[in-house]
Amino acid sequence: GQNIDQPTEMTATEGAIVQINCTYQTSGFNGLFWYQQHAGEAPTFLSYNVLDGLEEKGRFSSFLSRSKGYSYLLLKELQMKDSASYLCAVRDPGNAGNMLTFGGGTRLMVKP
Amino acid sequence: KAGVTQTPRYLIKTRGQQVTLSCSPISGHRSVSWYQQTPGQGLQFLFEYFSETQRNKGNFPGRFSGRQFSNSRSEMNVSTLELGDSALYLCASSLAGGKGETQYFGPGTRLLVL
Repeated sequence: GQNIDQPTEMTATEGAIVQINCTYQTSGFNGLFWYQQHAGEAPTFLSYNVLDGLEEKGRFSSFLSRSKGYSYLLLKELQMKDSASYLCAVRDPGNAGNMLTFGGGTRLMVKP
Repeated sequence: KAGVTQTPRYLIKTRGQQVTLSCSPISGHRSVSWYQQTPGQGLQFLFEYFSETQRNKGNFPGRFSGRQFSNSRSEMNVSTLELGDSALYLCASSLAGGKGETQYFGPGTRLLVL
């Protein structure tokens, strides 16, 4: 089975940097995704990591350590519009096709 | 290219009824997955369809079922609705569900069971 943990809520200030952690304990691993979900909207894809290291995409970066079962999403130069839930999801390797197990999500509040 | 579309967007049903939700994937995408999202349980995988066949199934009772048509459109059905089925039902599509492929989510159908 899969167990994925994220902090429930975080608060940060506009213009600052915030790191959202995700730890996972899984029977296997075949990639980790980060999604952003604004209230009342669909999740939108942010990043994908399958190898150890840092993936950078503009203001957003994601890091993975497979040996530690750990990932983080780094958001720089925070903007008010970054207030949203951030979902960490692990892809199950045991089956062909798509089966993602999601963490509970981290609700980020960005304050002026 | 149009995104994933889901209909209806909102639905109110009573206990014991059944409901059918529809999902049209992004053009060219053949894998369609369904998820249930609730405040208490978060996002949970229901099932995935590819080429009209159910390829993966999550831990949900048999009241939850689905199907996929030859044009990759998918429907899910919930029979004998219970209060606990109130949730946001999200559909996601990807090209073929292969390794590393991103799933793109639709806006969801918000179901309220009274």
